[in-house]
Amino acid sequence: EPEVTQTPSHQVTQMGQEVILRCVPISNHLYFYWYRQILGQKVEFLVSFYNNEISEKSEIFDDQFSVERPDGSNFTLKIRSTKLEDSAMYFCASSDHIGGYTFGSGTRLTVV
Amino acid sequence: QKEVEQNSGPLSVPEGAIASLNCTYSDRVSQSFFWYRQYSGKSPELIMSIYSNGDKEDGRFTAQLNKASQYVSLLIRDSQPSDSATYLCAVILSGNTPLVFGKGTRLSVIA
Repeated sequence: EPEVTQTPSHQVTQMGQEVILRCVPISNHLYFYWYRQILGQKVEFLVSFYNNEISEKSEIFDDQFSVERPDGSNFTLKIRSTKLEDSAMYFCASSDHIGGYTFGSGTRLTVV
Repeated sequence: QKEVEQNSGPLSVPEGAIASLNCTYSDRVSQSFFWYRQYSGKSPELIMSIYSNGDKEDGRFTAQLNKASQYVSLLIRDSQPSDSATYLCAVILSGNTPLVFGKGTRLSVIA
């Protein structure tokens, strides 16, 4: 069964450092998403991406965040200057827009 | 503000019983409804989707949708200890809007 792949599975970074989270969506999917889940809280939408541009973003997705699809297969989330409150599980998802989203296994980001 | 509401639980049921999980949503024009299962520390896994009023069955799972009441539910028949997880209700408002999740209901199936 096709899957969404995320790397790394766990990233520890110092406050103020930049991090890049990587995702390889399902190959025939056209819509890509990043969500995050702070421990004990709900899964929150960050950003959606279609046709090489952001189609929608939430209030969480401020100027510290950016997304890119650099080579037609990878889909990355960059956090420019991490804060303690950025510590969370970050999930990448993709969809063909007919059914539900398929989520990757997530990257646990710990900011210290 | 689009909201998806779920009772956080925990909902405890004995093995073999029917577990009933409920969800309400605030936006009347929501079109697509999903149930995801999330084990602790893992990613959400899609188990059911439903788009029109009524029931949809898939194995031990039945999703029920009532758009007039803005209510969607998930029934799990013959509950197993391996069904113990958090069940997330998620809604898409219309074609291009993103999936919005509820906080989830924690289900515990007691052997």
